[in-house]
Amino acid sequence: EVQLVESGGDLVQPGGSLRLSCAASGFTFSSSAMSWVRQAPGKGLEWVSYISHDGTTKYYADSVKGRFAISKDNAKNSLYLQMNSLRVEDTALYYCTKDQGFCSGGKCYRWGDYWGQGTLVTVSS
Amino acid sequence: AVRMTQSPSSFSASTGDRVTITCRASQDISSYLAWYQQKPGKAPKLLIYAASTLQSGVPSRFSGSGSGTDFTLTVSYLQSEDFATYYCHQYYNYPLTFGQGTKVEVK
Repeated sequence: EVQLVESGGDLVQPGGSLRLSCAASGFTFSSSAMSWVRQAPGKGLEWVSYISHDGTTKYYADSVKGRFAISKDNAKNSLYLQMNSLRVEDTALYYCTKDQGFCSGGKCYRWGDYWGQGTLVTVSS
Repeated sequence: AVRMTQSPSSFSASTGDRVTITCRASQDISSYLAWYQQKPGKAPKLLIYAASTLQSGVPSRFSGSGSGTDFTLTVSYLQSEDFATYYCHQYYNYPLTFGQGTKVEVK
């Protein structure tokens, strides 16, 4: 059974930093691309970041580019999101997702097939 | 970024109804579209990918169609457990984007 368990969410002041973790089990983590998606309270879903199975390819939403960094440790079956220079608008429930998909013509197409339960990040003074 | 627009934003329906939700992309995304269901306090659940492929374990009353810029999610016979918010999601281009969601409420 696929399990994704996020942790690390907390209350932090604007300008602060936080590191989120996602512990994965039930699938071959080293072969899987992963993503982070967030949801502000009462709002819709916003994709945040993607990392390929081997960590060589990373993408970020414009809203977090330069402030957030995604990484994965295949030896520890863990995904991370380092969040720096946090803003009030980063307040959200952060989900990690296991991605499935395929590559064709030099381009890869990935979507989340399993989601964790999320970890809450609150940025407030 | 590809903008995804869902309609309607919310509506009321009854058990047994056939319901359809529409999603429009701001540019051609071929069939690189997924649909998710989210219930209050829960993580989203994948229903459909590649515009019309049902995820394993998802009831056959759910179906998806469309390609290019216009897509639909249909629930052929609404069940009590289907009252939820539904999101479309394009994975054709980064940054990936979601529709704003469609809430299906009890009439």
